[in-house]
Amino acid sequence: DAKTTQPNSMESNEEEPVHLPCNHSTISGTDYIHWYRQLPSQGPEYVIHGLTSNVNNRMASLAIAEDRKSSTLILHRATLRDAAVYYCILLRYGGSQGNLIFGKGTKLSVKP
Amino acid sequence: DTGVSQNPRHKITKRGQNVTFRCDPISEHNRLYWYRQTLGQGPEFLTYFQNEAQLEKSRLLSDRFSAERPKGSFSTLEIQRTEQGDSAMYLCASSLDQVRNEQYFGPGTRLTVT
Repeated sequence: DAKTTQPNSMESNEEEPVHLPCNHSTISGTDYIHWYRQLPSQGPEYVIHGLTSNVNNRMASLAIAEDRKSSTLILHRATLRDAAVYYCILLRYGGSQGNLIFGKGTKLSVKP
Repeated sequence: DTGVSQNPRHKITKRGQNVTFRCDPISEHNRLYWYRQTLGQGPEFLTYFQNEAQLEKSRLLSDRFSAERPKGSFSTLEIQRTEQGDSAMYLCASSLDQVRNEQYFGPGTRLTVT
């Protein structure tokens, strides 16, 4: 399985944008890039996913590099509720069983 | 739709006892996953079901662990002869199918083996 690399932790100020990076240099053509987050004492929560093009939803934006070897999750205005561990996960469709392989993720702290 | 629910939320048991956890997925979801998470680590995959069929099991799932999903609805995860190393958060997730594979997680069952 292709591996992802994320910083262990990041800090942000409330109401400022946050860019969470993820490297996945061994990504294959059929790997989708998924992001989940886990708030304290809760199960993980789906955030967004994409394949090649940038994606936006109500929670965040996903910017994917042209060579797909890296991606960035963008929270446009961080709130205290966004303090969580963010996981970048590659998921292969068409043969994949769909189970998520979590790394350690990036722990995001948001300061008021 | 109330999302994925898990019961109990907390379980304390003595080493050697058997425990069973229940997961109720989102009603129209075909796939159901079990994960385990220890402190400071990301969740680790244990097993998954497509409807009532158990299609994959991780090597983490020793023979003391068994999971079922009768009738393709709720699922149970049983641990026999619990060990202290089984102490963890057990998470259940469900998804609609492989194409739209956003997984929705329950709140988890925290198991403490004393």
